[in-house]
Amino acid sequence: DSGVTQTPKHLITATGQRVTLRCSPRSGDLSVYWYQQSLDQGLQFLIQYYNGEERAKGNILERFSAQQFPDLHSELNLSSLELGDSALYFCASSVTGANVLTFGAGSRLTVL
Amino acid sequence: GQNIDQPTEMTATEGAIVQINCTYQTSGFNGLFWYQQHAGEAPTFLSYNVLDGLEEKGRFSSFLSRSKGYSYLLLKELQMKDSASYLCAVYNTDKLIFGTGTRLQVFP
Repeated sequence: DSGVTQTPKHLITATGQRVTLRCSPRSGDLSVYWYQQSLDQGLQFLIQYYNGEERAKGNILERFSAQQFPDLHSELNLSSLELGDSALYFCASSVTGANVLTFGAGSRLTVL
Repeated sequence: GQNIDQPTEMTATEGAIVQINCTYQTSGFNGLFWYQQHAGEAPTFLSYNVLDGLEEKGRFSSFLSRSKGYSYLLLKELQMKDSASYLCAVYNTDKLIFGTGTRLQVFP
């Protein structure tokens, strides 16, 4: 157990739907990162939050949004889902920015 | 722009040594990380280099040359459980950007 908790572990939904993925960072970590990993692809950086504020943005689609709450947990919202959104979504946390990231076990999203 | 290159696949024999190379071109640099990822699992941290030189950690070592935009991960005394993907990642300002990873297969 890495200390980073992601729910749900698996999610199957249909095209056009909306889902929310949740992440609780390791105790004491203020930064939360979201990554997308499609089949046989590398980890694509989506977005980073630090202590509730958006810190950096990657190639995140406009259909996707995220936030970090006062208790530091984060949610990634994916809407108008397409088949190509099927992927493993990882959350990671760190104490601050340029530190070792600890990854959660991931949420596997399947869009049918 | 940002570009991180690694070989796609490598194979090696149990007990051998393997070197996985990574070259990068990024607009900023605050350190280079290596992660291990078994299929379907979360990446786990292996090593971190921010200054030039070699960092050794048991069977794993990582080297960095900032002037050349180059790093390598050296795995010694390979074991079957080392079969995994190895991800090179560069910390660029506020983002940790990953390469596509090198899939290593260790054969008996």
